[in-house]
Amino acid sequence: KNQVEQSPQSLIILEGKNCTLQCNYTVSPFSNLRWYKQDTGRGPVSLTIMTFSENTKSNGRYTATLDADTKQSSLHITASQLSDSASYICVVRSGYSGAGSYQLTFGKGTKLSVIP
Amino acid sequence: DGGITQSPKYLFRKEGQNVTLSCEQNLNHDAMYWYRQDPGQGLRLIYYSQIVNDFQKGDIAEGYSVSREKKESFPLTVTSAQKNPTAFYRCAISIGGWGSSTYNEQFFGPGTRLTVL
Repeated sequence: KNQVEQSPQSLIILEGKNCTLQCNYTVSPFSNLRWYKQDTGRGPVSLTIMTFSENTKSNGRYTATLDADTKQSSLHITASQLSDSASYICVVRSGYSGAGSYQLTFGKGTKLSVIP
Repeated sequence: DGGITQSPKYLFRKEGQNVTLSCEQNLNHDAMYWYRQDPGQGLRLIYYSQIVNDFQKGDIAEGYSVSREKKESFPLTVTSAQKNPTAFYRCAISIGGWGSSTYNEQFFGPGTRLTVL
């Protein structure tokens, strides 16, 4: 059964500090991995997508990594801001690239709180 | 959330009643999805539809039903058979074709909070 595990479940950090969120998955066949940010009361919004051949990808202060061998991904947030307070959700797509049939497996998310 | 409309934002129903949640999109996308979001559970797929007049069960379809008579509409009915219907329900579409940076990206609507009294 495909699974996505995220850690920690919740995290509190001081404004300006860095943090790293983890995502471990057992999904086969792996197609891609997305990190979403969900602000309170809003729908999740995609931050970045990682494909099998990509190790690192940055989007502003967000840097995602992917280790396809160990089936792990991380999301590193640099110089955190109060607006980074949100839930961060890891979503893994299984199925062959380009195929019409595929499955998305969602992690339960990490709730990040940035405090002044 | 622009492009996907879910109504109403808050919905209350009495136990034993069916209720239908609306999802409308004006983005001309074929694939639409219904998710349920509970605290500490993450998003779980209820039903999805890849094309008009066709839909498939997701991971937690029991107690729910859908229809897809029009491309822009994908209503979800929470039936009295759903044992624990109080939750936040989100509709989504899948944007981006193969090879694009938005491939399989889920674009979510604002959601409907259903409370069973």
